[in-house]
Amino acid sequence: DAGVTQSPTHLIKTRGQQVTLRCSPKSGHDTVSWYQQALGQGPQFIFQYYEEEERQRGNFPDRFSGHQFPNYSSELNVNALLLGDSALYLCASSIDLASDTQYFGPGTRLTVL
Amino acid sequence: QQQVKQSPQSLIVQKGGIPIINCAYENTAFDYFPWYQQFPGKGPALLIAIRPDVSEKKEGRFTISFNKSAKQFSLHIMDSQPGDSATYFCAVRYSGNTPLVFGKGTRLSVIA
Repeated sequence: DAGVTQSPTHLIKTRGQQVTLRCSPKSGHDTVSWYQQALGQGPQFIFQYYEEEERQRGNFPDRFSGHQFPNYSSELNVNALLLGDSALYLCASSIDLASDTQYFGPGTRLTVL
Repeated sequence: QQQVKQSPQSLIVQKGGIPIINCAYENTAFDYFPWYQQFPGKGPALLIAIRPDVSEKKEGRFTISFNKSAKQFSLHIMDSQPGDSATYFCAVRYSGNTPLVFGKGTRLSVIA
């Protein structure tokens, strides 16, 4: 049973560019959350998707947007990249909205130059 | 405002020792308290979690102690091994569908 998968593993972009990160949830899971983890910090919640809708959002600007597809996979898009967006972006899935347990993927390391 | 404060920032113990990592929170409405383990280059993995209706929970070598009145919870790792060297995060969550709020992490090194 595949766990949460994310692509790409690493990504290098320059300031002002746009990036799209992808996530496939664990089999049987329908809820996807995205987190940003800066170096030496704990993960910070960006937003959550369920039934193809954004259900909750953390304290992140509108430059951060997402999407969930009918197969429950998800994308995170970041526009107008800033140096401060350099971080590990983590996707987590859970079996449903009510579940406490979240399973994290390995993350995508984004470097903005 | 930091909703959960984790300490220490780093910890070095000898193999077989019992590292203890602490977290303190402010909001009594939190009702789910997990600990995650993260190895370099990997995502966090759920280790163990507790709810406020119990004071202690053990899973293998990992134990959570929960002090509701003090608004603190801690992770104990029994008989620690070099393979336990990782960064550990506590987290808190309100009831219902709310996001996890993580501490800043503790880097644990277990030396042989």
